[in-house]
Amino acid sequence: DQQVKQNSPSLSVQEGRISILNCDYTNSMFDYFLWYKKYPAEGPTFLISISSIKDKNEDGRFTVFLNKSAKHLSLHIVPSQPGDSAVYFCAASDGNYQLIWGAGTKLIIKP
Amino acid sequence: EPEVTQTPSHQVTQMGQEVILRCVPISNHLYFYWYRQILGQKVEFLVSFYNNEISEKSEIFDDQFSVERPDGSNFTLKIRSTKLEDSAMYFCASRTGGNYGYTFGSGTRLTVV
Repeated sequence: DQQVKQNSPSLSVQEGRISILNCDYTNSMFDYFLWYKKYPAEGPTFLISISSIKDKNEDGRFTVFLNKSAKHLSLHIVPSQPGDSAVYFCAASDGNYQLIWGAGTKLIIKP
Repeated sequence: EPEVTQTPSHQVTQMGQEVILRCVPISNHLYFYWYRQILGQKVEFLVSFYNNEISEKSEIFDDQFSVERPDGSNFTLKIRSTKLEDSAMYFCASRTGGNYGYTFGSGTRLTVV
């Protein structure tokens, strides 16, 4: 059972526009969500997180929104920059140290 | 949905001991990876494996580390002589070729005492 789903394998966005990456989850016990960015041959790099007691967290160009009733979260990047081209992972935790990862979405920023 | 399985979920070992972390990737996946995350730090790439050989490895992946796919299903990470600083969460991942559909395992927490 895939508990964390990223249904878009890839997304292409014009430079300067908003990128919206989506993630759905099924386990209502998840209480902490994270977004990671990954370049080839590197480990995923932490971007931003959100606790289940919040519905929004913002850090510079990155904002994560959490809709608990829909079990959905999204990562907004605005404005999108060429260096944002990477694979983005959504991950979730139920309080243990283990993370449940989504499959990733490849973001391509077009000049 | 198929998943990547890692065992054990938590392993405690004494410094200097050998440890083997096990992973069962998804059966039709071709690329296999090990990553680790020391508590409070970033996730680090260790090694990638394709066509029965290492395709890339990081500086962390020194002679103390080795990987094997002994029987076509398991993918193991061996640490020959563990050090305290090897304590971390180790993630296995696999994917098919040609897309970015990574599937990560939920990790093995290694504690070296």
